[in-house]
Amino acid sequence: QITLKESGPTLVKPTQTLTLTCTFSGFSLSTSGVAVAWIRQPPGKALEWLGLVYRADERHYSPSLKTRLTITKDPSKNQVVLTMTNMDPLDTGTYYCAHRDPVKIFDYWGQGTLVTVSS
Amino acid sequence: EIVLTQSPATLSLSPGERATLSCRASQSVSSLLAWYQHKPGQAPRLLIYDASNRATGIPARFSGSGSGTDFTLTIDSLEPEDFAVYYCQQRSSWPIPFGQGTRLEIK
Repeated sequence: QITLKESGPTLVKPTQTLTLTCTFSGFSLSTSGVAVAWIRQPPGKALEWLGLVYRADERHYSPSLKTRLTITKDPSKNQVVLTMTNMDPLDTGTYYCAHRDPVKIFDYWGQGTLVTVSS
Repeated sequence: EIVLTQSPATLSLSPGERATLSCRASQSVSSLLAWYQHKPGQAPRLLIYDASNRATGIPARFSGSGSGTDFTLTIDSLEPEDFAVYYCQQRSSWPIPFGQGTRLEIK
């Protein structure tokens, strides 16, 4: 059974760096074609794909956020970490991590974690 | 970058009716398109992958069709729990953003 869960701060100040952790079980990031992705949803807006990481450290990021994002993995802990710099109130939203299947794209999702950016 | 445009933005229907949602890609994505359902307070749920394949546990009233640039998600005989926001996403080339969504609301 595949599960994912996001954890991290619920409140960050503008200009600070956000660090979120996705802890997963039921699959291995060592499997070919499998990745862990980050997606967010600002209040009242659409889903926004942020980026993902594969087993061989291959990463892909949203072009609009590429300069602010870093996604790293710790296979020994079954964790993937999202780091986003220079946070702004517009970055407020629910952040999800998801399992990327080679064919099905995002077939399992975490419950999401709400991050508010405010001074 | 491939852009996905969904229409309509909002669809108002009654339970029992059929819903037809559209997703158009700015260039061909072959059949490499997925659909998701998203309800408030819940994680999104994969409905359809590779244009027409239902994900595990998805009821048969959900079906997907299309290839190239034009795709359709059809929901036959809407149930009350089907009213949600629906998104499409392609996996043909990087990056892989979602469409802007279609809100399916009760009329």
